[in-house]
Amino acid sequence: GQQVMQIPQYQHVQEGEDFTTYCNSSTTLSNIQWYKQRPGGHPVFLIQLVKSGEVKKQKRLTFQFGEAKKNSSLHITATQTTDVGTYFCAGQRYGGATNKLIFGTGTLLAVQP
Amino acid sequence: NAGVTQTPKFRVLKTGQSMTLLCAQDMNHEYMYWYRQDPGMGLRLIHYSVGEGTTAKGEVPDGYNVSRLKKQNFLLGLESAAPSQTSVYFCASDNGREENFGEGSWLTVV
Repeated sequence: GQQVMQIPQYQHVQEGEDFTTYCNSSTTLSNIQWYKQRPGGHPVFLIQLVKSGEVKKQKRLTFQFGEAKKNSSLHITATQTTDVGTYFCAGQRYGGATNKLIFGTGTLLAVQP
Repeated sequence: NAGVTQTPKFRVLKTGQSMTLLCAQDMNHEYMYWYRQDPGMGLRLIHYSVGEGTTAKGEVPDGYNVSRLKKQNFLLGLESAAPSQTSVYFCASDNGREENFGEGSWLTVV
């Protein structure tokens, strides 16, 4: 079945350092979404990428969707303690009959002040 | 506008007991989902619904049943709880774009 893998599983950084998480799908995706889950909280939607090669920015966060629509990345510039949490990518299968997403395994980001 | 509400938030069950988790959304969304989240496993889809009166199996449906009798409610049932079902359960609803999650239900089966 379709799989979405994320690396790394865990990243520990000093505040001010950059952070990147990568997401790879075994199949072509129609779109990819990113979610953030704070410790003890629930996943919260960040952004959706639809077009091949698309790049979107939200303040210090930069999201990319690969040309082949099978991979994506999230880059955080100059991390802050408020960035702590688990970041999930979630892909929607191309041509799928429903909206259901396949979630990646997540990357847990720890930021040391 | 409460969004997605899950009840209960915490529950401890004995092996073999049954229980139902309730998810309610007030956004008139067609799609609803139940996930479980375990350490290192991400979010795994248990069952989902594409509209009132419909349900479908997700990635890990065994040991669970669901019902969507009303559009706003999606119920997840455990008929005979097992320790392997100890997990955090999240309900979500879909507006055709992003999924909106409830705050989670922490279930422990002893």
